[in-house]
Amino acid sequence: GAVVSQHPSWVICKSGTSVKIECRSLDFQATTMFWYRQFPKQSLMLMATSNEGSKATYEQGVEKDKFLINHASLTLSTLTVTSAHPEDSSFYICSAPGTGGMQYFGPGTRLTVT
Amino acid sequence: EDKVVQSPLSLVVHEGDTVTLNCSYEVTNFRSLLWYKQEKKAPTFLFMLTSSGIEKKSGRLSSILDKKELFSILNITATQTGDSAIYLCAVGHYGGSQGNLIFGKGTKLSVKP
Repeated sequence: GAVVSQHPSWVICKSGTSVKIECRSLDFQATTMFWYRQFPKQSLMLMATSNEGSKATYEQGVEKDKFLINHASLTLSTLTVTSAHPEDSSFYICSAPGTGGMQYFGPGTRLTVT
Repeated sequence: EDKVVQSPLSLVVHEGDTVTLNCSYEVTNFRSLLWYKQEKKAPTFLFMLTSSGIEKKSGRLSSILDKKELFSILNITATQTGDSAIYLCAVGHYGGSQGNLIFGKGTKLSVKP
C-alpha cells in the first residue's frame, strides 16, 4: 500500500525557535496533503490542506503566519511551526489521499516546546 | 455543521468479551466512512465503508454502515489486550478538499487480562 513518511518523529525545541516537519509520499504522488494536530486525549483536528503549487488552505482558528506550509513538489509537504511556544506542543500528523476516499497517514511527529 | 459522534468515549472490558463501538454522523455529501485504530502513534487503517448493509470483516473485527440511519458500528469479538487502543471513526465527503476527513473524538478501549 501507499506509504507516507514524516521527519522528524520527535523533536524538542526551545520557546521562540522554529521547527520544520516534513511529510513525504514515498511511492505515489500527492497533489494534496493534510496536516492534523492531536493534543493528548483528543482526536485528530485538521489544521490545513496543503496544495502542490498553490497556497495552503487553513482551518478556522489556525494561524497561517504561525504554521507555514509549503508543498514544493508532488511528494513533499512541509509544516514549519514558527516562534514555537509550549502550547504548540502536540502530535502533528500528515496524510495524503488515495483512491476512493482512502487516506494514508504518516507516523506523526511529537513536538515538545520547552 | 458537519459532525461525527462516537460512543462510548471510553470502554473497559475483559479479554474474551465482545464489544461494539458506535459512530453516527451528519455530513454533507457523504463519501465514505473509515475506521482507524490508534495506539501510540498515527492511526492505522481498519476499514473503509461506502455502501449500506455490506459487512466488512478482518479477523475478529467487523464493521457495517447504515446510510439511512447515518451510523456505523465496529465489532470486536474475543477481545485481546492488544486490542486496547483508541478507535477513531472518520467520514470523508465530496466537495471541499479532496480526501478531507472529519474525525470523531474516538472511543478508548481498554481490554483487561
